[in-house]
Amino acid sequence: DIQMTQSPSALSASVGDRVTITCRASQSIGYWLAWFQQKPGKAPKVVIYKASSLESGVPSTFSGSGYGAEFTLTISSLQPDDFATYYCQHYSYDSPWTFGQGTRVEMK
Amino acid sequence: QVQLQESGPGLVKPSETLSLSCSVSGGSFSGHHWSWIRQPPGKGLEWIGYIQYTGGTKYHPSLQSRVTISLDTSKSQFSLKLTSVTAADTAVYYCAMLIEGAGGRGYWGQGTLVTVSS
Repeated sequence: DIQMTQSPSALSASVGDRVTITCRASQSIGYWLAWFQQKPGKAPKVVIYKASSLESGVPSTFSGSGYGAEFTLTISSLQPDDFATYYCQHYSYDSPWTFGQGTRVEMK
Repeated sequence: QVQLQESGPGLVKPSETLSLSCSVSGGSFSGHHWSWIRQPPGKGLEWIGYIQYTGGTKYHPSLQSRVTISLDTSKSQFSLKLTSVTAADTAVYYCAMLIEGAGGRGYWGQGTLVTVSS
């Protein structure tokens, strides 16, 4: 099975900061990766799909990159609404669709 | 606009079967992965499995012996059954419609908390 490793597990940042979260797959998954944002008590919401495509309605401060086994979610200028937990998930058909462990983005 | 809503008992006894349904409105059943995901309190997300319109299923290996996902298009719903539950199965359970080939795009229900306790 493909394992997804996210880092860091948590980070502290201020409004306006650039934030980068990494997700590594244990084997190549092409571009079959999504990033989700989750706020307390709410369902996850996709922000990036197919590694680098921005979901409709998501601010352009969010971007995704990567292909194969290493992926990055970047928030170019952190906004108050962006403080949340972020998860990656792969969609390779060869393996269960596992999630990363999550990254909590906290206010510094 | 597609909407999904989970329903089912909020409390299940250990060793019994957890049964949840997800009602779907505003969407077609073909071309999607009808999925279940869970999240234990204070922990991360765990993918449980999915069913396709064709009836094809895929489950997480750690749950495969206990889980069944089924589809009833006549009732516009799909269901989750998890047998022989323990306290470790206590979680918020989400249903989701993931668009086939879209790498994560789709719609999610709001989630429902299921507690396993005697």
